[in-house]
Amino acid sequence: EDKVVQSPLSLVVHEGDTVTLNCSYEVTNFRSLLWYKQEKKAPTFLFMLTSSGIEKKSGRLSSILDKKELFSILNITATQTGDSAVYLCAAYDSNYQLIWGAGTKLIIKP
Amino acid sequence: NAGVTQTPKFQVLKTGQSMTLQCAQDMNHNSMYWYRQDPGMGLRLIYYSASEGTTDKGEVPNGYNVSRLNKREFSLRLESAAPSQTSVYFCASSLQGLARNTIYFGEGSWLTVV
Repeated sequence: EDKVVQSPLSLVVHEGDTVTLNCSYEVTNFRSLLWYKQEKKAPTFLFMLTSSGIEKKSGRLSSILDKKELFSILNITATQTGDSAVYLCAAYDSNYQLIWGAGTKLIIKP
Repeated sequence: NAGVTQTPKFQVLKTGQSMTLQCAQDMNHNSMYWYRQDPGMGLRLIYYSASEGTTDKGEVPNGYNVSRLNKREFSLRLESAAPSQTSVYFCASSLQGLARNTIYFGEGSWLTVV
């Protein structure tokens, strides 16, 4: 059965810290992996990763995919209270369906 | 920019009542989706519509029906609500159901069945 597992489930850090969120996947005929940020309402898109080893970057956020070891990481540097959210990762399978992880709840303390 | 709009945002139902969640997107997307999100379980696909005129079951379709009314609109119906259907429901859309396309979400509908 296809699955996406995120770790840790929750994380509390102080403002200014750097965090690394993990996403491992077991997906038949994997196509690509997506990261989303969910605050109170709708998940908002962060990154889509299709190629191994190529870092995607947006401001203080970056992400990379390892297709050999079947995982991705999302890094956030110099965290701010506005980074507090649930971070979701999802992988596309061969039927172009997204398999979602349960999310990592990140809390940034001032 | 409206994006994906879903209504209602909040609803309380009694067990056995029926209701329809409405969703519309203005991005000319072909594919639309209904998800439910429960604590600790992530997003689970209920139904999806790869293109106008087609609908398919997702991971958790039991107790739900859908209608792709036209390219813009995709509704989700609960025929006889059960407490197990208490959840947050998200409508989403993407240009095509392909692995290159980003999915865009509506703001969510909080449904409580008592």
